[in-house]
Amino acid sequence: DARVTQTPRHKVTEMGQEVTMRCQPILGHNTVFWYRQTMMQGLELLAYFRNRAPLDDSGMPKDRFSAEMPDATLATLKIQPSEPRDSAVYFCASGPDRGVGYTFGSGTRLTVV
Amino acid sequence: GEDVEQSLFLSVREGDSSVINCTYTDSSSTYLYWYKQEPGAGLQLLTYIFSNMDMKQDQRLTVLLNKKDKHLSLRIADTQTGDSAIYFCAETNFGNEKLTFGTGTRLTIIP
Repeated sequence: DARVTQTPRHKVTEMGQEVTMRCQPILGHNTVFWYRQTMMQGLELLAYFRNRAPLDDSGMPKDRFSAEMPDATLATLKIQPSEPRDSAVYFCASGPDRGVGYTFGSGTRLTVV
Repeated sequence: GEDVEQSLFLSVREGDSSVINCTYTDSSSTYLYWYKQEPGAGLQLLTYIFSNMDMKQDQRLTVLLNKKDKHLSLRIADTQTGDSAIYFCAETNFGNEKLTFGTGTRLTIIP
């Protein structure tokens, strides 16, 4: 089965450090999403791309978060500087253009201490 | 903006049917989805329904859509312990394909 691969699976970092999370979408999928999951807020959309171009990043704190797709096989989400309130599970998902349903990765569990 | 609501908890006896409900506000929703999340895992697409359909059945899963009331339900027949998970309702519309999720319903199976 094709899958979305996220690395790392777990990350513990100190406040103020830079964090980079990576996602390898399914080959041929040209829509990529970043979601954040917390107990309090549930699943929040941070950003999404189609054909590597950002379409919506309104859910992302612009001062510290950035999302990019350097190429079709890699999406990155960077936090600099990280804060304890960024502790969450970050999911990447990919799908075909206007396709039905999206495939989620297993997530990166981020803990900022 | 779009809003999707679900009840937070549901407990069901093993072997009974589970019915998980969802309401949404976006009248231009085109696809409605049910995702399952097991502990420590990502979201797994269970099933989906197009907005011009009333019902969809897939083995033990039945999805009912009442577009007039903007109500979606997922029925799981013969609920098993492996069905314990959080179930998320989600919607997209054709003009904006980002998924809007509900809060999730935690399904607990009672032996």
